[in-house]
Amino acid sequence: GENVEQHPSTLSVQEGDSAVIKCTYSDSASNYFPWYKQELGKGPQLIIDIRSNVGEKKDQRIAVTLNKTAKHFSLHITETQPEDSAVYFCAASNPTGTASKLTFGTGTRLQVTL
Amino acid sequence: NAGVMQNPRHLVRRRGQEARLRCSPMKGHSHVYWYRQLPEEGLKFMVYLQKENIIDESGMPKERFSAEFPKEGPSILRIQQVVRGDSAAYFCASSPQVGRGYTFGSGTRLTVV
Repeated sequence: GENVEQHPSTLSVQEGDSAVIKCTYSDSASNYFPWYKQELGKGPQLIIDIRSNVGEKKDQRIAVTLNKTAKHFSLHITETQPEDSAVYFCAASNPTGTASKLTFGTGTRLQVTL
Repeated sequence: NAGVMQNPRHLVRRRGQEARLRCSPMKGHSHVYWYRQLPEEGLKFMVYLQKENIIDESGMPKERFSAEFPKEGPSILRIQQVVRGDSAAYFCASSPQVGRGYTFGSGTRLTVV
């Protein structure tokens, strides 16, 4: 089955700096890669996703890149703000038939300091 | 659009009791997924259901755990004879199509005492 590794487990940046979180996956059949933000006491919230026919996707301060050959994908947050502080999870899936479940990374706790 | 509704938000059970967790998917979503999150850990897949069918239960413990998504009403995750190791946050997600566009609920935090 799929295995997703995520690094770093914790990340502290100053307000205004950029943050990068990296994930690798094992199943070459995976072709859908979402990123979730989880705030304390809440459920994960989808912030951006990318499909394997796209190498990069951007939404305001958030961007995701995908390297299918290396099986790497990364989340980039620019101009970080205190409200970006949360736990971020990457995930991978091959959404066809019964193999549609998301496999999550172990999370990155991002702390944006003033 | 009320989103994915889970209840209760918090549930306390004594060892040996039964826990029932409910999930109402978003309107128009026919795919429901249950995940478990232990403290300081990621989300682990448990089961994927469509109406009246279990599609993938590869993440469900073999004993004491069951799930259903009836034709009418919410999806139910049932844990019989709970043990302390069952204490976790249980999240439900729904999607309008297979494996994409997941929306998560706020979770049920189960504490076994």
